[in-house]
Amino acid sequence: EPEVTQTPSHQVTQMGQEVILRCVPISNHLYFYWYRQILGQKVEFLVSFYNNEISEKSEIFDDQFSVERPDGSNFTLKIRSTKLEDSAMYFCASRDSGIEEQYFGPGTRLTVT
Amino acid sequence: GESVGLHLPTLSVQEGDNSIINCAYSNSASDYFIWYKQESGKGPQFIIDIRSNMDKRQGQRVTVLLNKTVKHLSLQIAATQPGDSAVYFCAENMGNSGYALNFGKGTSLLVTP
Repeated sequence: EPEVTQTPSHQVTQMGQEVILRCVPISNHLYFYWYRQILGQKVEFLVSFYNNEISEKSEIFDDQFSVERPDGSNFTLKIRSTKLEDSAMYFCASRDSGIEEQYFGPGTRLTVT
Repeated sequence: GESVGLHLPTLSVQEGDNSIINCAYSNSASDYFIWYKQESGKGPQFIIDIRSNMDKRQGQRVTVLLNKTVKHLSLQIAATQPGDSAVYFCAENMGNSGYALNFGKGTSLLVTP
């Protein structure tokens, strides 16, 4: 069964450094999402992406965040200058056109020290 | 702002019993609801969904009930098994064009033999 994959599984970085989290959505899906989950808290929406542009973004997704689909398979989340409070699990999700169900990847655990 | 929340943070049931996990939502404009299961260290896994024009939907061992009058959503798991132990999240479509999801806080289900 097709699945969303994410790399790396765990990323440790120092405060102020840039990180890029990578996702490979399910191949025929057209809608892509990033969510985050701070330890012990609920999953929070960050951004949705369709047709090579951002569809929606939350208040969390400030100027430090950006997304890109650099090629036909990858979908990336960049944090320009990480803060301690960016430490969280980051989940990528994708869905097909006409279907609302979102398929989630296993997540990347980001630890900012 | 609008939010989705859960009544019970933890639920412990014996193997073979039925489980009921509840969720309240406050956005009356929500038209799509989903239950996700999250096992430790993994991303949310789709269980079942329901649109607002329905009040009940059944899957394999799971049933979702929607009461729009009181803005309440529940997930019923029949004959709960140890493999059902996980955190369960309800989520609602935030009503935007990107179909971003607004998650509740999660209920931890523990199934004891």
